[in-house]
Amino acid sequence: DAGVTQSPTHLIKTRGQQVTLRCSPISGHKSVSWYQQVLGQGPQFIFQYYEKEERGRGNFPDRFSARQFPNYSSELNVNALLLGDSALYLCASSLGQVVNNEKLFFGSGTQLSVL
Amino acid sequence: DAKTTQPPSMDCAEGRAANLPCNHSTISGNEYVYWYRQIHSQGPQYIIHGLKNNETNEMASLIITEDRKSSTLILPHATLRDTAVYYCIVRVAYDSGNTPLVFGKGTRLSVIA
Repeated sequence: DAGVTQSPTHLIKTRGQQVTLRCSPISGHKSVSWYQQVLGQGPQFIFQYYEKEERGRGNFPDRFSARQFPNYSSELNVNALLLGDSALYLCASSLGQVVNNEKLFFGSGTQLSVL
Repeated sequence: DAKTTQPPSMDCAEGRAANLPCNHSTISGNEYVYWYRQIHSQGPQYIIHGLKNNETNEMASLIITEDRKSSTLILPHATLRDTAVYYCIVRVAYDSGNTPLVFGKGTRLSVIA
């Protein structure tokens, strides 16, 4: 079975530009979460979406936005890029049901470099 | 902020058991202990979780102290492929799906041949 797929794998942008990252969850999973991981740190939560609705948001500026589509895939958008946005962006999928101890399954991420 | 404290790095000889400690002295009664690991250039991978009893699966064992203030992840026979950053995370049980994982810096385990 296919795992979580993210595209592109690598991306180079310049300051002020906008970027869109894409994620396809595991088949049957209805929830997608986005995390940002800067070098040397653990991943930080950005957003969670379930059934096309935002269910959680981390401490990130409004330049960050996301959406989930009817097929449960998701996009993360970042506007007005800053050098500090350079990071590995991880997508995680889960069933999204009210279950005990739901596990997250992560993709390999998109490495974004802002010059 | 992460609710756990882990040593920044550890070494382990190949074939030996790797014992990774985690302190979670403020854990609540409804919080589980989760372990994820992240191999270089990949996303985090779920390993194991537990509430108060010791747990074992095909990847690892989890030993939780009786007062639940600390735990140890055990990789019984470490291989070079176990070299990774290991994250210990506490998270509420019966999660509605809305509670994100809060990662700290983890422990960088190096398995040495």
